[in-house]
Amino acid sequence: EAQVTQNPRYLITVTGKKLTVTCSQNMNHEYMSWYRQDPGLGLRQIYYSMNVEVTDKGDVPEGYKVSRKEKRNFPLILESPSPNQTSLYFCASSTSRSSYNSPLHFGNGTRLTVT
Amino acid sequence: QQQVKQSPQSLIVQKGGISIINCAYENTAFDYFPWYQQFPGKGPALLIAIRPDVSEKKEGRFTISFNKSAKQFSLHIMDSQPGDSATYFCAAASSPLSGGYNKLIFGAGTRLAVHP
Repeated sequence: EAQVTQNPRYLITVTGKKLTVTCSQNMNHEYMSWYRQDPGLGLRQIYYSMNVEVTDKGDVPEGYKVSRKEKRNFPLILESPSPNQTSLYFCASSTSRSSYNSPLHFGNGTRLTVT
Repeated sequence: QQQVKQSPQSLIVQKGGISIINCAYENTAFDYFPWYQQFPGKGPALLIAIRPDVSEKKEGRFTISFNKSAKQFSLHIMDSQPGDSATYFCAAASSPLSGGYNKLIFGAGTRLAVHP
């Protein structure tokens, strides 16, 4: 089954404790991206990657890191999480960098709470 | 600065009624307008999309109406069903520059509840 898999689904951590949220897709998609979803703010892009070893900042990259060493994986790293990073996070992928040609396929989300 | 403004924030509709969600944008370079549907505990999924060369697109009970001069577009759900209860996001994107990509800008979302 074609899918984007995120882990974990739920995560509670404390301020300053490094964490990684994993994302993997089995569709051989070139383009991958991370979003955070907050009430009243919709989906905001954190980082994106157009191919292996090619990453760039989105709209809200502060406090986050990503890497793209393999085509299928795109982990999100929070080196020193803070309470304002409490949010619902989504990984997404598509075959093309153009939304016209390929919709975004989202994972089921990771709900992160930083205390 | 919210480039795509979506309203209402929440909506309650009776079964069989029409649900209408509106979005407005400022950037005239936007030329692709999709709607994504998100069920609780799931990620968003593409529902329907339109380009500005047409004023309306219909897929089953879902219709996008597009008004280029007003820079507005809306989603209409006819004969709304309890199974339509979800959060709906409008979005917009512009043609990618050479070598670039066209990023989707999402609205804030509308939580729709259809009561039986």
